[in-house]
Amino acid sequence: DAGVIQSPRHEVTEMGQEVTLRCKPISGHDYLFWYRQTMMRGLELLIYFNNNVPIDDSGMPEDRFSAKMPNASFSTLKIQPSEPRDSAVYFCASSLNIGRTDTQYFGPGTRLTVL
Amino acid sequence: AQSVTQLGSHVSVSEGALVLLRCNYSSSVPPYLFWYVQYPNQGLQLLLKYTSAATLVKGINGFEAEFKKSETSFHLTKPSAHMSDAAEYFCAVSDNASWGKLQFGAGTQVVVTP
Repeated sequence: DAGVIQSPRHEVTEMGQEVTLRCKPISGHDYLFWYRQTMMRGLELLIYFNNNVPIDDSGMPEDRFSAKMPNASFSTLKIQPSEPRDSAVYFCASSLNIGRTDTQYFGPGTRLTVL
Repeated sequence: AQSVTQLGSHVSVSEGALVLLRCNYSSSVPPYLFWYVQYPNQGLQLLLKYTSAATLVKGINGFEAEFKKSETSFHLTKPSAHMSDAAEYFCAVSDNASWGKLQFGAGTQVVVTP
């Protein structure tokens, strides 16, 4: 399996622009997670989906952030409008089940820089 | 709510020396504990996990960790460091109350010197 695929790997944009990050989970995995990693806050869970349905979005920082999963093989995280404080590495992860001990498989991440 | 604390944001070890990374957890219910490794410019990879079976857990790349309930700890060790072990290591916790959501520690950066 190719693992979790994220695109783009790097994104540089200007403040106020819309940013869309993409993720393809491992085939057959029922759960998809979006994380944000920064020096100040470490790794934060933003939102997760089960069978394409958002289950918990309590980590989404504000209304400028939105995430969708239109089908089992694709998810997007959108920031509109973007701000410099959104600069971070965004990871997508998937797991077969959210069972207490199931392994989450991480993608390589998207490094976002907002100028 | 559960949480983990990793002692030491940076650890430097000599090649061939013992690697010891400390993790203490806080959880009101029995925890499930994980160690992940992140190599530069890559995503996180699972090293090992504690699932309430054996308290000594063996993982990939020669790492192991021991769950000690009395000390609320889950320290990661490797007897002999290799240059390829240079990476950032994250301890994480979940439990039934959190519905499997992982709470990560701040991470420990490991530098291996020749």
